[in-house]
Amino acid sequence: QSVLTQPPSVSAAPGQKVTISCSGYSSNIGTDYVSWYQQFPGTAPKLLIYDNNKRPSGIPDRFSGSNSGTSATLDITGLQPGDEADYFCATWDRSLSASFGGGTKVTVL
Amino acid sequence: EVQLLESGGGLVQPGGSLRLSCAASGFTSRSHAMSWVRQAPGKGLEWVSAISGSGGSTYYGESVKGRVTISRDHSTNTVFLQMNNLRAEDTAVYYCAKVDSSVWYRRTYFEDWGQGTLVTVSS
Repeated sequence: QSVLTQPPSVSAAPGQKVTISCSGYSSNIGTDYVSWYQQFPGTAPKLLIYDNNKRPSGIPDRFSGSNSGTSATLDITGLQPGDEADYFCATWDRSLSASFGGGTKVTVL
Repeated sequence: EVQLLESGGGLVQPGGSLRLSCAASGFTSRSHAMSWVRQAPGKGLEWVSAISGSGGSTYYGESVKGRVTISRDHSTNTVFLQMNNLRAEDTAVYYCAKVDSSVWYRRTYFEDWGQGTLVTVSS
């Protein structure tokens, strides 16, 4: 079981905004950076956000991240059908162990 | 262009062993730590192991510690994951991931991923 908690699913209509939460503890999210990954069915994950709120080149600014203590958030604005995927948050837990959230499935209605 | 190509997966009996390989290209090997992340069928991601850019430091998740060994060969730019005493719960797609930094520390992230190799542990 993941030490980071994400909602199993979120949904919204095209053009709307979805927010995915990633809840942890002061020992992980509260002290460390969070990254986010997007995964389409049958494919490898892809880096979406790093250092809480930075986007790699090529990632649209419709994707944004934030970290407010023991909870991190990924916002997707202007939702598109191509955004339907699973999204995972990641941070650190104990010494040098990376930890992932359980994942959130985004559905475009 | 960064490319990560995993191989070595397959069907193995409980208690058996497998050696996964990740052939990397498109970047300077010693400049990046490397990691393995797995995903059981229909489940989320689980970090397995990491190795520093130099290869001198290794790190393991609790669920595999003592059964898995990560290593790398700079001459061929290949990362390996030797898995022993495999269990049914080790069944997963194993992804090789390039880390942004040469060291594994509490700010790194997985900036590139391979397509994965499936390991099935079953009798």
